[in-house]
Amino acid sequence: EPEVTQTPSHQVTQMGQEVILRCVPISNHLYFYWYRQILGQKVEFLVSFYNNEISEKSEIFDDQFSVERPDGSNFTLKIRSTKLEDSAMYFCASDGQWGNIQYFGAGTRLSVL
Amino acid sequence: RKEVEQDPGPFNVPEGATVAFNCTYSNSASQSFFWYRQDCRKEPKLLMSVYSSGNEDGRFTAQLNRASQYISLLIRDSKLSDSATYLCVVNGGSQGNLIFGKGTKLSVKP
Repeated sequence: EPEVTQTPSHQVTQMGQEVILRCVPISNHLYFYWYRQILGQKVEFLVSFYNNEISEKSEIFDDQFSVERPDGSNFTLKIRSTKLEDSAMYFCASDGQWGNIQYFGAGTRLSVL
Repeated sequence: RKEVEQDPGPFNVPEGATVAFNCTYSNSASQSFFWYRQDCRKEPKLLMSVYSSGNEDGRFTAQLNRASQYISLLIRDSKLSDSATYLCVVNGGSQGNLIFGKGTKLSVKP
Protein backbone atom coordinates (compact mmCIF):
# COMPACT_ATOMS: atom_id res chain seq x y z
CA GLU A 1 0.00 0.00 0.00
CA PRO A 2 1.41 3.43 -0.93
CA GLU A 3 2.46 5.53 2.00
CA VAL A 4 3.80 8.95 2.92
CA THR A 5 7.36 8.72 4.20
CA GLN A 6 9.11 11.24 6.41
CA THR A 7 12.72 11.68 7.40
CA PRO A 8 14.28 11.89 9.87
CA SER A 9 12.08 10.23 12.46
CA HIS A 10 13.71 12.31 15.19
CA GLN A 11 15.66 15.56 14.84
CA VAL A 12 17.46 17.20 17.73
CA THR A 13 18.71 20.74 17.22
CA GLN A 14 19.93 23.75 19.13
CA MET A 15 17.77 26.85 19.44
CA GLY A 16 18.45 29.23 16.57
CA GLN A 17 19.52 26.52 14.14
CA GLU A 18 17.85 25.80 10.82
CA VAL A 19 16.16 22.46 10.26
CA ILE A 20 14.71 20.85 7.17
CA LEU A 21 12.09 18.16 7.53
CA ARG A 22 11.59 15.93 4.53
CA CYS A 23 8.56 14.16 3.15
CA VAL A 24 7.87 11.96 0.16
CA PRO A 25 4.12 12.11 -0.51
CA ILE A 26 2.19 9.31 -2.21
CA SER A 27 3.33 9.39 -5.83
CA ASN A 28 0.11 10.33 -7.66
CA HIS A 29 -1.09 12.80 -5.06
CA LEU A 30 -1.34 16.48 -5.88
CA TYR A 31 -2.09 18.19 -2.55
CA PHE A 32 0.44 18.32 0.24
CA TYR A 33 0.18 19.45 3.81
CA TRP A 34 2.22 19.98 6.94
CA TYR A 35 0.70 19.69 10.41
CA ARG A 36 2.28 19.79 13.82
CA GLN A 37 1.33 18.33 17.19
CA ILE A 38 2.85 19.65 20.38
CA LEU A 39 3.03 16.91 23.01
CA GLY A 40 -0.36 16.45 24.68
CA GLN A 41 -2.13 18.85 22.33
CA LYS A 42 -4.19 18.58 19.19
CA VAL A 43 -2.94 18.27 15.63
CA GLU A 44 -2.70 21.75 14.07
CA PHE A 45 -2.62 22.71 10.41
CA LEU A 46 0.44 24.62 9.20
CA VAL A 47 0.33 24.87 5.42
CA SER A 48 -1.12 23.37 2.26
CA PHE A 49 0.65 23.22 -1.10
CA TYR A 50 -0.66 22.63 -4.58
CA ASN A 51 0.67 23.24 -8.07
CA ASN A 52 4.02 24.39 -6.68
CA GLU A 53 2.67 27.09 -4.47
CA ILE A 54 1.18 27.58 -1.03
CA SER A 55 -2.62 27.30 -1.10
CA GLU A 56 -3.31 28.16 2.50
CA LYS A 57 -1.34 28.74 5.67
CA SER A 58 -2.24 29.11 9.32
CA GLU A 59 -1.17 31.85 11.72
CA ILE A 60 1.44 29.44 13.08
CA PHE A 61 3.21 29.40 9.68
CA ASP A 62 5.11 32.66 10.06
CA ASP A 63 8.20 33.97 8.26
CA GLN A 64 10.39 31.41 10.01
CA PHE A 65 8.70 28.62 8.06
CA SER A 66 8.94 27.79 4.38
CA VAL A 67 8.00 24.86 2.17
CA GLU A 68 9.41 23.64 -1.06
CA ARG A 69 8.94 20.88 -3.57
CA PRO A 70 12.46 20.80 -5.00
CA ASP A 71 11.85 17.87 -7.33
CA GLY A 72 9.03 15.59 -8.39
CA SER A 73 8.99 13.56 -5.20
CA ASN A 74 10.16 15.49 -2.13
CA PHE A 75 8.22 18.04 -0.11
CA THR A 76 10.18 19.86 2.58
CA LEU A 77 9.44 22.07 5.56
CA LYS A 78 12.20 24.44 6.64
CA ILE A 79 12.34 26.25 9.94
CA ARG A 80 14.97 28.99 9.67
CA SER A 81 15.75 29.74 13.29
CA THR A 82 14.22 27.22 15.65
CA LYS A 83 12.69 28.21 18.97
CA LEU A 84 12.06 26.05 22.01
CA GLU A 85 8.34 26.18 21.28
CA ASP A 86 8.90 24.61 17.85
CA SER A 87 9.46 21.29 19.61
CA ALA A 88 6.67 19.04 18.35
CA MET A 89 5.77 16.16 16.04
CA TYR A 90 5.57 17.37 12.46
CA PHE A 91 3.34 15.38 10.16
CA CYS A 92 3.29 15.52 6.40
CA ALA A 93 0.09 14.52 4.60
CA SER A 94 -1.04 14.19 1.02
CA ASP A 95 -4.20 13.55 -0.91
CA GLY A 96 -5.06 13.00 -4.54
CA GLN A 97 -8.08 15.23 -4.69
CA TRP A 98 -8.97 18.41 -2.86
CA GLY A 99 -11.14 17.75 0.17
CA ASN A 100 -10.51 14.05 -0.04
CA ILE A 101 -8.93 11.74 2.52
CA GLN A 102 -5.50 12.84 3.68
CA TYR A 103 -2.88 10.22 4.44
CA PHE A 104 -0.28 11.00 7.04
CA GLY A 105 3.36 10.12 7.33
CA ALA A 106 4.77 8.69 10.56
CA GLY A 107 6.04 12.13 11.54
CA THR A 108 9.30 13.76 12.53
CA ARG A 109 9.78 14.47 16.21
CA LEU A 110 11.64 17.79 16.48
CA SER A 111 13.37 18.52 19.77
CA VAL A 112 14.77 22.03 20.15
CA LEU A 113 17.24 22.37 23.02
CA ARG B 1 -12.45 30.64 15.24
CA LYS B 2 -13.01 27.27 13.64
CA GLU B 3 -13.04 24.58 16.30
CA VAL B 4 -13.84 20.94 16.82
CA GLU B 5 -14.82 19.97 20.34
CA GLN B 6 -14.63 16.50 21.84
CA ASP B 7 -14.93 14.97 25.28
CA PRO B 8 -11.29 14.20 26.18
CA GLY B 9 -12.15 11.14 28.24
CA PRO B 10 -10.53 8.86 29.13
CA PHE B 11 -13.16 6.25 28.51
CA ASN B 12 -12.21 3.07 30.36
CA VAL B 13 -14.36 0.16 29.21
CA PRO B 14 -14.22 -3.65 29.46
CA GLU B 15 -13.76 -5.81 26.40
CA GLY B 16 -17.03 -6.33 24.58
CA ALA B 17 -18.55 -3.04 25.69
CA THR B 18 -20.21 -0.55 23.40
CA VAL B 19 -18.83 2.96 23.58
CA ALA B 20 -19.95 6.20 21.93
CA PHE B 21 -17.97 9.34 21.19
CA ASN B 22 -19.44 12.70 20.32
CA CYS B 23 -18.06 15.75 18.61
CA THR B 24 -19.30 19.20 17.62
CA TYR B 25 -17.82 21.52 15.03
CA SER B 26 -18.22 25.25 14.59
CA ASN B 27 -17.58 25.78 10.86
CA SER B 28 -20.90 25.37 9.07
CA ALA B 29 -19.04 25.48 5.72
CA SER B 30 -17.22 22.21 6.41
CA GLN B 31 -17.96 19.61 3.76
CA SER B 32 -15.94 16.56 4.76
CA PHE B 33 -15.95 14.75 8.07
CA PHE B 34 -13.77 11.99 9.40
CA TRP B 35 -12.83 9.92 12.37
CA TYR B 36 -9.12 9.21 12.68
CA ARG B 37 -7.45 7.13 15.35
CA GLN B 38 -4.09 7.93 16.84
CA ASP B 39 -1.95 5.58 18.85
CA CYS B 40 0.51 7.05 21.33
CA ARG B 41 3.22 9.07 19.53
CA LYS B 42 2.05 7.80 16.13
CA GLU B 43 0.46 9.49 13.16
CA PRO B 44 -3.31 9.90 12.75
CA LYS B 45 -4.77 7.07 10.70
CA LEU B 46 -8.11 7.26 8.98
CA LEU B 47 -10.75 5.16 10.66
CA MET B 48 -13.68 6.20 8.52
CA SER B 49 -15.26 9.05 6.63
CA VAL B 50 -18.62 10.27 7.92
CA TYR B 51 -21.60 10.83 5.65
CA SER B 52 -24.93 12.54 6.26
CA SER B 53 -26.77 9.28 5.76
CA GLY B 54 -24.67 7.58 8.41
CA ASN B 55 -22.27 4.79 7.63
CA GLU B 56 -21.08 1.57 9.16
CA ASP B 57 -17.82 -0.32 8.86
CA GLY B 58 -17.89 -3.55 10.80
CA ARG B 59 -18.11 -2.70 14.50
CA PHE B 60 -17.89 1.04 13.83
CA THR B 61 -20.84 3.31 13.04
CA ALA B 62 -20.56 7.01 12.33
CA GLN B 63 -23.33 9.58 12.19
CA LEU B 64 -23.43 13.19 11.06
CA ASN B 65 -26.06 15.78 11.90
CA ARG B 66 -25.34 18.87 9.81
CA ALA B 67 -28.13 20.92 11.36
CA SER B 68 -26.70 20.43 14.84
CA GLN B 69 -23.09 20.32 13.58
CA TYR B 70 -22.65 17.11 15.50
CA ILE B 71 -20.72 13.94 14.68
CA SER B 72 -20.73 10.65 16.53
CA LEU B 73 -18.84 7.38 16.52
CA LEU B 74 -20.14 4.14 18.00
CA ILE B 75 -17.86 1.19 18.64
CA ARG B 76 -19.54 -2.12 19.36
CA ASP B 77 -17.93 -5.18 20.94
CA SER B 78 -14.77 -3.30 21.95
CA LYS B 79 -11.45 -5.07 21.51
CA LEU B 80 -8.19 -4.48 23.38
CA SER B 81 -6.74 -3.27 20.07
CA ASP B 82 -9.32 -0.46 19.95
CA SER B 83 -7.41 1.32 22.72
CA ALA B 84 -6.28 4.59 21.17
CA THR B 85 -7.20 8.25 20.91
CA TYR B 86 -10.09 8.92 18.52
CA LEU B 87 -9.86 12.19 16.62
CA CYS B 88 -12.88 13.97 15.20
CA VAL B 89 -11.75 15.81 12.07
CA VAL B 90 -13.49 18.18 9.68
CA ASN B 91 -12.20 20.03 6.66
CA GLY B 92 -11.84 23.78 6.79
CA GLY B 93 -14.67 24.66 4.43
CA SER B 94 -13.25 26.36 1.36
CA GLN B 95 -9.76 25.26 2.23
CA GLY B 96 -8.51 21.71 2.07
CA ASN B 97 -6.86 21.77 5.47
CA LEU B 98 -8.16 19.56 8.25
CA ILE B 99 -9.28 20.81 11.64
CA PHE B 100 -8.73 18.32 14.44
CA GLY B 101 -10.40 17.89 17.77
CA LYS B 102 -8.18 17.19 20.77
CA GLY B 103 -9.29 13.58 20.69
CA THR B 104 -11.04 11.19 23.04
CA LYS B 105 -8.87 8.60 24.71
CA LEU B 106 -10.27 5.06 24.87
CA SER B 107 -8.80 2.36 27.02
CA VAL B 108 -10.27 -1.14 26.63
CA LYS B 109 -9.46 -3.46 29.54
CA PRO B 110 -9.58 -7.27 29.63
